[in-house]
Amino acid sequence: NAGVTQTPKFRILKIGQSMTLQCAQDMNHNYMYWYRQDPGMGLKLIYYSVGAGITDKGEVPNGYNVSRSTTEDFPLRLELAAPSQTSVYFCASSYQDRDNQPQHFGDGTRLSIL
Amino acid sequence: AQSVTQLDSQVPVFEEAPVELRCNYSSSVSVYLFWYVQYPNQGLQLLLKYLSGSTLVKGINGFEAEFNKSQTSFHLRKPSVHISDTAEYFCVAKGAGSYQLTFGKGTKLSVIP
Repeated sequence: NAGVTQTPKFRILKIGQSMTLQCAQDMNHNYMYWYRQDPGMGLKLIYYSVGAGITDKGEVPNGYNVSRSTTEDFPLRLELAAPSQTSVYFCASSYQDRDNQPQHFGDGTRLSIL
Repeated sequence: AQSVTQLDSQVPVFEEAPVELRCNYSSSVSVYLFWYVQYPNQGLQLLLKYLSGSTLVKGINGFEAEFNKSQTSFHLRKPSVHISDTAEYFCVAKGAGSYQLTFGKGTKLSVIP
């Protein structure tokens, strides 16, 4: 079982460049999420989606965009990379018909902006 | 809204010793509680969850946690740790009817041989 797959695993960007972090899940989950993890801060929600075509902002959305054209894929776009976006990014998914469904996480994308 | 406080940022412990990782939460609604583990350079993996019912919850790898409503705590315990338990542990809360998880800042467990 692949679960949640994130690509790439590592990336270095220059300030002002753009890139897309890819996330795919094969569990037919309707909910998907993007988080960023900074040292000593836990995880903060960037964006989430409750199904194809529906996305909404989380706690820290500035500087990011998302789309959800299929159930399986939920890419995260950085348009103008800034040093403050250096972080580890995690994608997660869950089957949200009941409150007790846990989120399943990918292995992360480690992004450095120089 | 919820908040989660993990009282220790780092916990060193000798191999085969017991360990307790402390977590307190606050919430204005009914809350579900989870512990996730993150091994180095990996994603988060669910250890255990408390939804309702018995306040003692058993998870994977010999871990257990006890939900204490009066003390608003959900501490994680293991009677005898192994080197392989070295990881970062996150206490997480989810309000009833909400999609959103609230993470603690994490506790790094270091098991010393």
